[in-house]
Amino acid sequence: ETGVTQSPTHLIKTRGQQVTLRCSSQSGHNTVSWYQQALGQGPQFIFQYYREEENGRGNFPPRFSGLQFPNYSSELNVNALELDDSALYLCASSLGTSGSGANVLTFGAGSRLTVL
Amino acid sequence: GNSVTQMEGPVTLSEEAFLTINCTYTATGYPSLFWYVQYPGEGLQLLLKATKADDKGSNKGFEATYRKETTSFHLEKGSVQVSDSAVYFCALNRDDKIIFGKGTRLHILP
Repeated sequence: ETGVTQSPTHLIKTRGQQVTLRCSSQSGHNTVSWYQQALGQGPQFIFQYYREEENGRGNFPPRFSGLQFPNYSSELNVNALELDDSALYLCASSLGTSGSGANVLTFGAGSRLTVL
Repeated sequence: GNSVTQMEGPVTLSEEAFLTINCTYTATGYPSLFWYVQYPGEGLQLLLKATKADDKGSNKGFEATYRKETTSFHLEKGSVQVSDSAVYFCALNRDDKIIFGKGTRLHILP
């Protein structure tokens, strides 16, 4: 059973640029959630994808967008990067959107984004 | 709204000491409650969970009991090891989304 893999592990961008982060979900999981973890903080929910559709969104602006593909992998795109976007971006997969399966998230190790 | 508050760290203990990390929550209804652990350079891992009042979650010597009357889910371990050094996050599930506390960094000294 493979876990959740994310790429790239580290990247540096400048303000105003765009970034794409990628996530492969755990085998058998069909739901992907993205979280932003600023330094010293807990993860903040960005959005969730289920069956290639956005299924819930946290308090993040529209320049944060995502995709889910038929194989359940996912991308997070951030446009017009700001300094405050510097953070660890975590992808988590789960089985379904409700019930006991949805309660158990499997996290990747994250992509650390630095915006200069 | 829904939120989780946990004790601020860092918490530094000697090996074999007793550990308590406090966690309280605010939520409508009866959310599921979790403790996740983040080891250096790794993603978060589910440590334990409880889905209803008075449930006790346990794993790797850690325990936490879902207390509805005090809206708490404190993490405890009777004898910590150096390998327990990590950041611990209390979390709840509401509307099928996981909401995390800010995390508590734990240092265990040999």
